[in-house]
Amino acid sequence: DAGVTQSPTHLIKTRGQQVTLRCSPKSGHDTVSWYQQALGQGPQFIFQYYEEEERQRGNFPDRFSGHQFPNYSSELNVNALLLGDSALYLCASSLRTGEAGNQPQHFGDGTRLSIL
Amino acid sequence: GQQVMQIPQYQHVQEGEDFTTYCNSSTTLSNIQWYKQRPGGHPVFLIQLVKSGEVKKQKRLTFQFGEAKKNSSLHITATQTTDVGTYFCAGRGQGGKLIFGQGTELSVKP
Repeated sequence: DAGVTQSPTHLIKTRGQQVTLRCSPKSGHDTVSWYQQALGQGPQFIFQYYEEEERQRGNFPDRFSGHQFPNYSSELNVNALLLGDSALYLCASSLRTGEAGNQPQHFGDGTRLSIL
Repeated sequence: GQQVMQIPQYQHVQEGEDFTTYCNSSTTLSNIQWYKQRPGGHPVFLIQLVKSGEVKKQKRLTFQFGEAKKNSSLHITATQTTDVGTYFCAGRGQGGKLIFGQGTELSVKP
């Protein structure tokens, strides 16, 4: 039973560039959430996708956008990269029964994004 | 906006000593979840508390949810080196968003 998989594991970009991160949820899960985790901090919620639509959004600018595909996999896109976007980007999947926040989040290993 | 504060930020203990981390929310929570993140790893779900005053145990770990559903704690009895990691609480905020605390990093000296 495959867990949450993310790609790539590491990525180096320069300021102003654009990046796309990918996530495949745990088998049987239909909801994908993205988090940004800066060094020494807790994960910060970016947004959540269910049924191919953004359902909830955290306090992140429009430079952060996403997509969910019919097979429940998801992408996180970040445009006009800033130095402050350097962080570990975590994808978490869950099963949407009831309120989304009630379900345990199953995290992937993350993508370490470094902006030079 | 909703905030979840966690203390202490770091805790260094001798193996066999107890450990406690505390979590406080600025608003009432519907539920609270606890996660453990090993160094270099990803957060792993430990438990969810839903009811006011709820107490749950997992072997040496005891989780409590406050009566007002605004605070929670995790207590580890007789720590072991395998307990090393960062422990996060995460409360369900406005609109169902999961708000994580800053975490408590636990180190255990053998």
